[in-house]
This record gives sequence, structure tokens and C-alpha cells, in this order.
Amino acid sequence: AQKVTQAQTEISVVEKEDVTLDCVYETRDTTYYLFWYKQPPSGELVFLIRRNSFDEQNEISGRYSWNFQKSTSSFNFTITASQVVDSAVYFCALSEAPGLGYGQNFVFGPGTRLSVLP
Amino acid sequence: EAQVTQNPRYLITVTGKKLTVTCSQNMNHEYMSWYRQDPGLGLRQIYYSMNVEVTDKGDVPEGYKVSRKEKRNFPLILESPSPNQTSLYFCASRHNLLDGYTFGSGTRLTVV
Repeated sequence: AQKVTQAQTEISVVEKEDVTLDCVYETRDTTYYLFWYKQPPSGELVFLIRRNSFDEQNEISGRYSWNFQKSTSSFNFTITASQVVDSAVYFCALSEAPGLGYGQNFVFGPGTRLSVLP
Repeated sequence: EAQVTQNPRYLITVTGKKLTVTCSQNMNHEYMSWYRQDPGLGLRQIYYSMNVEVTDKGDVPEGYKVSRKEKRNFPLILESPSPNQTSLYFCASRHNLLDGYTFGSGTRLTVV
């Protein structure tokens, strides 16, 4: 069965600090997809990134970067020079690739609540 | 604007009174799903649908029903709500299995 672990329940940092949110996953599939979502205090879920299991290149988007390491089954998310607007709950998610079945399971981790203090 | 619309945003009801939360998407997506979000548990999938008339259970389907009679709509039905179904519910859709989900704004349900 798929499983996503986000060991950090809550993190607090001071503005401009860098912060890394950890995500560890379990799957028996060789082909899968990993995602990060942001849930700001307003409650909506905002898609941040998708990564497939064959692409281990790190990705950078502005102050956000993602480190995918298949060897350790981790897909960590780093925010550089954090800002108050980054305060949110962040979810990591795992999706199976299409197989003989529908492979539709899309499993979220429990989330990490990030508070960025001014 | 491409979006997933769910209604109502807030609902307070009494135990046992049947209710339906509607969900509609305007992106012609094949796949739709319902999740519930509870503190400390993240989002858990209730039901999902691969296309019209094709649905399957997620991780926490007990006490819920869904239907997919049209591609755009995927209502969530609680035949006899109980207090343990008090939660924040999200509907979501995606075009294919390679995509991430696009989520609705959420429905906060309280069952007293």
C-alpha cells in the first residue's frame, strides 16, 4: 500500500530563514508521481509541483526548490528566505501510475504546518 | 475560469438527515474525487470516479455514496449523517493520472 509520511507536524521560523519540509513515501510501484500542495489559512488547496519517479532532477521555482531522492524515498521541499505569506499547511502526495487497474489512488501525507514569524 | 465548484461552503445538520454536497467541474476532466480533511490525519480519499458511471471506493468510504451520471458532476451523498462525519470536504478533478488534482474551495460540514 502507498504511504506518505511528513514527520514534521509544525515548524516555526523567522522571516528570511530557509526551511525544509520533509516528505518520505512508500510504494511498490516503479512508476509513480509525487506532488506538493499548499493550503493557506484561507483553506483552498494550491498545487505546487508534480514529479514523476523517473525524473530525479531537482527543481527550483523562485524561492521554492524540491529535492527528490529515490534512494531514500524522499521528496523534500525547501523555501529559501521565507516570508510571512509562506505560512500555510503543506501536503506531500503520492499517486500510482496507470497499471492493469485504474491505479487511481492519490494519497496525501498528514501535512506540515509552517508558521513564518515577522 | 477553469474551476471545481462545490456547494454549500458551510453546512450544519442534524444526525440522520440526508444531505448532498454538490460538485461540478468545467474542465472536462475524466477523474474526480472526494476527500475529507481532519486535523492530524491530512486528506483521506472517500470515493473517486474514472469516468461517467465508473466509481470506486477510496480509503474511507463508509457512510458515503457518490454518483457520476454526467462527466461534470460528482455529488457526495450522506444518507444518514453522524457526528463523526463532521469534517472539511474537498471535491477535486484531474484530466488524467499524470496530473495533479484541482480542488474545490471545500465544504465545512458539522453534524450535531
